[in-house]
Amino acid sequence: DADVTQTPRNRITKTGKRIMLECSQTKGHDRMYWYRQDPGLGLQLIYYSFDVKDINKGEISDGYSVSRQAQAKFSLSLESAIPNQTALYFCATSDTKGPPNEQFFGPGTRLTVL
Amino acid sequence: AQSVTQLDSQVPVFEEAPVELRCNYSSSVSVYLFWYVQYPNQGLQLLLKYLSGSTLVKGINGFEAEFNKSQTSFHLRKPSVHISDTAEYFCAVSGSGSARQLTFGSGTQLTVLP
Repeated sequence: DADVTQTPRNRITKTGKRIMLECSQTKGHDRMYWYRQDPGLGLQLIYYSFDVKDINKGEISDGYSVSRQAQAKFSLSLESAIPNQTALYFCATSDTKGPPNEQFFGPGTRLTVL
Repeated sequence: AQSVTQLDSQVPVFEEAPVELRCNYSSSVSVYLFWYVQYPNQGLQLLLKYLSGSTLVKGINGFEAEFNKSQTSFHLRKPSVHISDTAEYFCAVSGSGSARQLTFGSGTQLTVLP
């Protein structure tokens, strides 16, 4: 089935380490997004990409960077992880040719920074 | 800019009872509105959406929502809930147009009691 997958699903790391979270999709969608979810705060947009050559900052991009390696792959990096980056991270996709702004989510990566 | 308020962070309800989850938004432009559901340890799944047309929209699993422009609301309802409806529910808004980002509410945890 066409899907959005995220690896790893869980990660525990230490302060100062570099971490990469990966997202792949088989939906053929052109747009991809990274969100973080904190209890009681809903989802906050970190970065988004409308195509391979188009990367945009979201509302909370500080401390994060992204790479769109191909239409189907969008990675999120934490260059030097800190404890307040402990959260649940979601990747999502949407299709320019589909219903406007309807996004499809991966299963999430639970990141803990000690 | 736009924002979403979900007034109830937790809603407990007995099985087979009706439920309403409230969502209010603010926006200076025309909007699209969405409800997503997140089951434990899963990503978000689209329940229903309002893009245009009839203000009463029906979604999956027997849920429906009504867009009320004058009250800037998009409340989610189900006439009879099941144990399996226990999940977190997120309301989201975007400006109309295909290049608009989703803004999420903080979520409502629905717990269905036997």
